Amino acid sequence: GENVEQHPSTLSVQEGDSAVIKCTYSDSASNYFPWYKQELGKRPQLIIDIRSNVGEKKDQRIAVTLNKTAKHFSLHITETQPEDSAVYFCAEGGATNKLIFGTGTLLAVQP
Amino acid sequence: SAVISQKPSRDICQRGTSLTIQCQVDSQVTMMFWYRQQPGQSLTLIATANQGSEATYESGFVIDKFPISRPNLTFSTLTVSNMSPEDSSIYLCSAAGTGNYGYTFGSGTRLTVV
Repeated sequence: GENVEQHPSTLSVQEGDSAVIKCTYSDSASNYFPWYKQELGKRPQLIIDIRSNVGEKKDQRIAVTLNKTAKHFSLHITETQPEDSAVYFCAEGGATNKLIFGTGTLLAVQP
Repeated sequence: SAVISQKPSRDICQRGTSLTIQCQVDSQVTMMFWYRQQPGQSLTLIATANQGSEATYESGFVIDKFPISRPNLTFSTLTVSNMSPEDSSIYLCSAAGTGNYGYTFGSGTRLTVV
Protein backbone atom coordinates (compact mmCIF):
# COMPACT_ATOMS: atom_id res chain seq x y z
CA GLY A 1 0.00 0.00 0.00
CA GLU A 2 0.94 3.63 -0.20
CA ASN A 3 3.21 4.99 2.50
CA VAL A 4 5.19 8.23 2.77
CA GLU A 5 7.87 8.72 5.39
CA GLN A 6 8.92 12.28 6.18
CA HIS A 7 11.96 13.49 8.14
CA PRO A 8 12.70 15.32 10.29
CA SER A 9 9.53 15.79 12.34
CA THR A 10 10.86 19.07 13.71
CA LEU A 11 13.53 21.40 12.33
CA SER A 12 14.88 24.58 13.85
CA VAL A 13 17.15 26.86 11.82
CA GLN A 14 18.54 30.35 12.12
CA GLU A 15 17.17 33.03 9.85
CA GLY A 16 19.14 33.04 6.60
CA ASP A 17 20.15 29.39 6.83
CA SER A 18 18.85 26.64 4.56
CA ALA A 19 16.29 23.99 5.50
CA VAL A 20 15.94 20.55 3.95
CA ILE A 21 13.04 18.14 4.44
CA LYS A 22 13.10 14.63 3.00
CA CYS A 23 10.38 12.16 2.05
CA THR A 24 10.50 8.55 0.97
CA TYR A 25 7.66 6.77 -0.79
CA SER A 26 6.91 3.14 -1.51
CA ASP A 27 4.61 3.09 -4.54
CA SER A 28 6.66 2.84 -7.72
CA ALA A 29 3.61 4.00 -9.72
CA SER A 30 3.66 7.40 -8.01
CA ASN A 31 4.26 10.20 -10.49
CA TYR A 32 3.33 13.42 -8.72
CA PHE A 33 5.00 14.91 -5.63
CA PRO A 34 3.64 18.15 -4.16
CA TRP A 35 4.69 20.03 -1.03
CA TYR A 36 2.28 21.91 1.20
CA LYS A 37 2.77 24.57 3.85
CA GLN A 38 0.25 24.76 6.67
CA GLU A 39 0.23 27.64 9.11
CA LEU A 40 -1.54 27.26 12.43
CA GLY A 41 -5.30 27.17 11.97
CA LYS A 42 -5.07 27.50 8.20
CA ARG A 43 -5.63 25.19 5.27
CA PRO A 44 -2.64 23.49 3.57
CA GLN A 45 -1.26 25.64 0.76
CA LEU A 46 0.54 24.16 -2.25
CA ILE A 47 4.01 25.72 -2.47
CA ILE A 48 5.73 23.62 -5.14
CA ASP A 49 5.24 20.33 -6.94
CA ILE A 50 7.20 18.07 -9.24
CA ARG A 51 6.24 15.38 -11.70
CA SER A 52 8.17 12.20 -12.25
CA ASN A 53 9.59 13.22 -15.61
CA VAL A 54 11.89 15.85 -14.06
CA GLY A 55 14.54 15.63 -11.37
CA GLU A 56 14.47 19.16 -9.98
CA LYS A 57 12.26 22.22 -9.91
CA LYS A 58 12.95 25.61 -8.43
CA ASP A 59 10.77 28.58 -7.56
CA GLN A 60 12.71 31.49 -6.02
CA ARG A 61 13.90 30.31 -2.58
CA ILE A 62 12.16 26.94 -2.80
CA ALA A 63 13.32 23.88 -4.72
CA VAL A 64 12.29 20.25 -4.88
CA THR A 65 14.46 17.35 -6.02
CA LEU A 66 13.28 13.88 -6.99
CA ASN A 67 15.20 10.62 -7.14
CA LYS A 68 12.84 8.05 -8.64
CA THR A 69 15.34 5.22 -8.41
CA ALA A 70 15.69 5.65 -4.66
CA LYS A 71 12.04 6.71 -4.28
CA HIS A 72 12.74 9.87 -2.36
CA PHE A 73 12.20 13.57 -2.84
CA SER A 74 13.28 16.61 -0.88
CA LEU A 75 12.22 20.20 -0.23
CA HIS A 76 14.96 22.81 -0.03
CA ILE A 77 14.32 26.29 1.37
CA THR A 78 17.20 28.75 1.11
CA GLU A 79 17.67 32.07 2.95
CA THR A 80 14.96 31.14 5.43
CA GLN A 81 12.82 33.88 6.95
CA PRO A 82 10.63 33.86 10.09
CA GLU A 83 7.53 33.76 7.89
CA ASP A 84 8.69 30.37 6.59
CA SER A 85 7.86 28.94 10.03
CA ALA A 86 5.00 26.45 9.59
CA VAL A 87 4.28 22.75 9.20
CA TYR A 88 5.35 21.32 5.84
CA PHE A 89 3.82 18.20 4.33
CA CYS A 90 5.04 16.18 1.41
CA ALA A 91 2.60 14.06 -0.59
CA GLU A 92 2.64 11.55 -3.38
CA GLY A 93 0.08 10.84 -6.06
CA GLY A 94 -0.22 8.12 -8.63
CA ALA A 95 -2.57 6.50 -11.07
CA THR A 96 -5.59 6.84 -8.78
CA ASN A 97 -4.99 10.62 -8.48
CA LYS A 98 -5.45 10.60 -4.71
CA LEU A 99 -2.73 12.21 -2.57
CA ILE A 100 -1.15 10.41 0.34
CA PHE A 101 0.54 12.73 2.82
CA GLY A 102 3.70 12.44 4.85
CA THR A 103 3.71 12.92 8.60
CA GLY A 104 4.73 16.56 8.50
CA THR A 105 7.71 18.68 9.57
CA LEU A 106 7.41 21.57 11.99
CA LEU A 107 9.89 24.20 10.78
CA ALA A 108 10.88 26.97 13.17
CA VAL A 109 13.01 29.81 11.80
CA GLN A 110 14.69 31.66 14.63
CA PRO A 111 15.22 35.39 13.99
CA SER B 1 -6.05 26.43 -9.20
CA ALA B 2 -9.56 25.68 -8.02
CA VAL B 3 -10.94 27.81 -5.16
CA ILE B 4 -13.00 25.86 -2.65
CA SER B 5 -15.58 27.23 -0.22
CA GLN B 6 -16.27 24.95 2.72
CA LYS B 7 -18.90 25.24 5.42
CA PRO B 8 -19.49 25.20 8.29
CA SER B 9 -16.11 26.40 9.50
CA ARG B 10 -16.74 24.89 12.92
CA ASP B 11 -19.47 23.21 14.92
CA ILE B 12 -20.06 21.67 18.31
CA CYS B 13 -22.37 18.68 18.14
CA GLN B 14 -24.02 16.28 20.55
CA ARG B 15 -22.98 12.64 20.40
CA GLY B 16 -25.32 10.49 18.37
CA THR B 17 -26.21 13.27 15.94
CA SER B 18 -24.97 13.85 12.38
CA LEU B 19 -23.29 16.79 10.67
CA THR B 20 -23.12 17.49 6.94
CA ILE B 21 -20.17 19.46 5.58
CA GLN B 22 -20.41 21.13 2.19
CA CYS B 23 -17.77 22.09 -0.36
CA GLN B 24 -18.34 24.26 -3.40
CA VAL B 25 -15.66 24.62 -6.06
CA ASP B 26 -15.47 27.67 -8.34
CA SER B 27 -14.88 25.52 -11.44
CA GLN B 28 -15.66 22.04 -12.64
CA VAL B 29 -13.19 19.51 -11.31
CA THR B 30 -12.89 15.83 -11.99
CA MET B 31 -11.50 14.73 -8.66
CA MET B 32 -12.67 15.70 -5.17
CA PHE B 33 -11.47 14.21 -1.90
CA TRP B 34 -12.26 14.32 1.80
CA TYR B 35 -9.58 14.29 4.48
CA ARG B 36 -9.47 14.25 8.27
CA GLN B 37 -6.75 15.99 10.26
CA GLN B 38 -6.38 15.47 13.99
CA PRO B 39 -4.72 18.37 15.84
CA GLY B 40 -0.97 18.29 15.29
CA GLN B 41 -1.24 15.39 12.86
CA SER B 42 -1.07 14.78 9.14
CA LEU B 43 -3.95 14.54 6.70
CA THR B 44 -5.67 11.17 6.41
CA LEU B 45 -7.67 10.47 3.28
CA ILE B 46 -11.25 9.40 4.01
CA ALA B 47 -12.56 8.89 0.49
CA THR B 48 -12.59 10.00 -3.11
CA ALA B 49 -15.89 11.62 -4.08
CA ASN B 50 -16.88 10.34 -7.50
CA GLN B 51 -19.37 12.23 -9.63
CA GLY B 52 -22.23 9.99 -10.65
CA SER B 53 -21.15 6.96 -8.64
CA GLU B 54 -20.48 5.84 -5.09
CA ALA B 55 -17.48 7.27 -3.27
CA THR B 56 -14.32 5.20 -2.94
CA TYR B 57 -13.41 4.78 0.72
CA GLU B 58 -9.98 4.21 2.24
CA SER B 59 -9.25 1.45 4.68
CA GLY B 60 -10.85 2.16 8.03
CA PHE B 61 -13.62 4.39 6.67
CA VAL B 62 -17.09 3.15 5.70
CA ILE B 63 -20.04 4.60 3.87
CA ASP B 64 -22.49 4.16 6.75
CA LYS B 65 -20.34 6.37 8.97
CA PHE B 66 -19.20 8.89 6.33
CA PRO B 67 -21.75 9.08 3.52
CA ILE B 68 -20.60 11.30 0.66
CA SER B 69 -22.52 12.94 -2.14
CA ARG B 70 -21.17 14.35 -5.40
CA PRO B 71 -24.15 15.49 -7.44
CA ASN B 72 -22.10 17.46 -9.98
CA LEU B 73 -18.56 18.52 -10.86
CA THR B 74 -18.50 21.54 -8.50
CA PHE B 75 -20.08 20.31 -5.26
CA SER B 76 -19.69 17.59 -2.65
CA THR B 77 -20.89 16.86 0.87
CA LEU B 78 -19.53 14.70 3.66
CA THR B 79 -21.78 13.59 6.50
CA VAL B 80 -20.34 12.44 9.80
CA SER B 81 -23.02 10.12 11.17
CA ASN B 82 -23.88 8.98 14.69
CA MET B 83 -21.03 11.06 16.07
CA SER B 84 -18.92 10.21 19.08
CA PRO B 85 -16.17 12.27 20.76
CA GLU B 86 -13.61 10.28 18.73
CA ASP B 87 -14.95 12.00 15.60
CA SER B 88 -13.76 15.37 16.89
CA SER B 89 -11.29 16.56 14.27
CA ILE B 90 -10.79 18.91 11.35
CA TYR B 91 -12.37 17.76 8.10
CA LEU B 92 -11.09 19.15 4.80
CA CYS B 93 -12.19 18.74 1.23
CA SER B 94 -9.78 18.92 -1.68
CA ALA B 95 -10.02 19.20 -5.43
CA ALA B 96 -7.53 18.45 -8.17
CA GLY B 97 -6.69 21.19 -10.62
CA THR B 98 -6.00 21.08 -14.33
CA GLY B 99 -4.61 17.76 -15.46
CA ASN B 100 -5.24 16.39 -11.97
CA TYR B 101 -2.35 18.36 -10.51
CA GLY B 102 -2.27 21.34 -8.15
CA TYR B 103 -4.67 20.07 -5.52
CA THR B 104 -6.23 22.77 -3.35
CA PHE B 105 -8.09 22.58 -0.06
CA GLY B 106 -11.16 24.03 1.52
CA SER B 107 -10.72 26.04 4.70
CA GLY B 108 -11.68 23.08 6.88
CA THR B 109 -14.44 22.28 9.36
CA ARG B 110 -13.44 22.02 13.00
CA LEU B 111 -15.82 19.52 14.58
CA THR B 112 -16.15 19.03 18.32
CA VAL B 113 -18.42 16.25 19.59
CA VAL B 114 -19.56 16.51 23.20
